[in-house]
Amino acid sequence: DAGVTQSPTHLIKTRGQQVTLRCSPKSGHDTVSWYQQALGQGPQFIFQYYEEEERQRGNFPDRFSGHQFPNYSSELNVNALLLGDSALYLCASSFGQGFGDTQYFGPGTRLTVL
Amino acid sequence: GENVEQHPSTLSVQEGDSAVIKCTYSDSASNYFPWYKQELGKGPQLIIDIRSNVGEKKDQRIAVTLNKTAKHFSLHITETQPEDSAVYFCAAVPGGSQGNLIFGKGTKLSVKP
Repeated sequence: DAGVTQSPTHLIKTRGQQVTLRCSPKSGHDTVSWYQQALGQGPQFIFQYYEEEERQRGNFPDRFSGHQFPNYSSELNVNALLLGDSALYLCASSFGQGFGDTQYFGPGTRLTVL
Repeated sequence: GENVEQHPSTLSVQEGDSAVIKCTYSDSASNYFPWYKQELGKGPQLIIDIRSNVGEKKDQRIAVTLNKTAKHFSLHITETQPEDSAVYFCAAVPGGSQGNLIFGKGTKLSVKP
C-alpha cells in the first residue's frame, strides 16, 4: 500500500517565478491538506481540499492556490515567489469529513527561492 | 485562534532512560491531539494520537496523556533507543475546524548510546 507521494523532491526557483507542487494521497484517502514548514519550525497549515473544493484555508496570501483532481490527487501553486517562500512543503492525506481525521504526511518538496 | 506551545525545545537522554515532552493548547474546544516524529530529510510520521474523550493512550514504549482541564498533553517514551533520536511535534485540531493541524515548534530528542 503506497503512502503519500510528492513530486518533485527538490526545486530551485528565482524570485517572481511560479511553481507547481504535486501530491498523491494514500490509497483510500479523499482529503488532501498542504503545509509549509520553514527551517526549524513546525508545519503551518496552508489549505485543505475535499471533493475538489477548498474546504479550509490558513493564513496564507492568495499567491498560494491549489486544486484537487477527481482521483483525489492535488496540486499546490505558488505565484510571484518571494525569498520567504523557501521551505519544505508537505502534503498530508486523510479520509473523512474532517473534525480530527488522522493525517498522514508525504516526504515533502524542498523549495528554494533565489 | 489555537496556539500550541511545546517544551523543551531540545532534550538529551541516555539510552534506556525515559523522555517526556509537554505541550499546552489554548482552545478548550480542541478535540484531537496527534504526535509526529520527523527524521532529517523526511516528512512527519504519526506515532500516536489521542482524542478529547480519552485521558491516556499507550502503544508499546510510547504513551500520551491528556489533561483537558489544564489544557495540556504529554508524550512519554520509555526505554529510549538511539533510533528514537529525531524531532518530535505535538499538534492540535481546533474546535469547529475541519482538520487543520496546529503544530508546536518541535522538540529535538537526542538519545546517547
